[in-house]
Amino acid sequence: SYELTQPLSVSVALGQTARITCGGNNIGSKNVHWYQQKPGQAPVLVIYRDTNRPSGIPERLSGSNSGNTATLTISRAQAGDEADYYCQVWDSSTGVFGGGTKLTVL
Amino acid sequence: QVQLQESGPGLVKPSETLSLTCTVSGGFFTTYYWNWIRQPPGKGLEWIGYIYYSGSTSYNPSLKSRVTISLDTSKNQFSLKLNSVTAADTAVYYCARSGSVGTTDYWGQGALVTVSS
Repeated sequence: SYELTQPLSVSVALGQTARITCGGNNIGSKNVHWYQQKPGQAPVLVIYRDTNRPSGIPERLSGSNSGNTATLTISRAQAGDEADYYCQVWDSSTGVFGGGTKLTVL
Repeated sequence: QVQLQESGPGLVKPSETLSLTCTVSGGFFTTYYWNWIRQPPGKGLEWIGYIYYSGSTSYNPSLKSRVTISLDTSKNQFSLKLNSVTAADTAVYYCARSGSVGTTDYWGQGALVTVSS
């Protein structure tokens, strides 16, 4: 079965840039979606199909996908960005989530 | 605005069947995939399965033998049944909608189900 690998945690200083990676075999050939989840809340879609932002998601969040790694980039990090982030793909009609990354804003 | 709401027992005994229903309002069932996703306490998200509006289904291979997802378009509902539950099935269960490009854009608030005697 297909697997996605994320770092357990990423830390970023306030106002700096954070990058959260999602590794998978030839993930560049798949559409990657990213979700933000804050404590006690349901996940929220923040990037879809590698690079697209839903309405209401700030331009500070961006995505890329190539080769074996997809990346969620959060520029000018704010305290409100502190959350868990999950990447997700569909593989043979099966949903696959990464293990999640906890983003800490220092 | 599309809204999803999970409902069902919050406590299930080991070896019994977990049953949840998701009620959808503000949208249509057609052309969408209707998912169940769960999250054990303090852990990550796990996709359980989906039902397409046509009735076709897809399940997580690790749960396939125990899962059934069904659809009742007349009630704007879809349901999850997970049988032979154990403590490892204790989780927050989310229902969620996915579009044709795989984007899961609407989620319910989640329902905590505890498996315990």
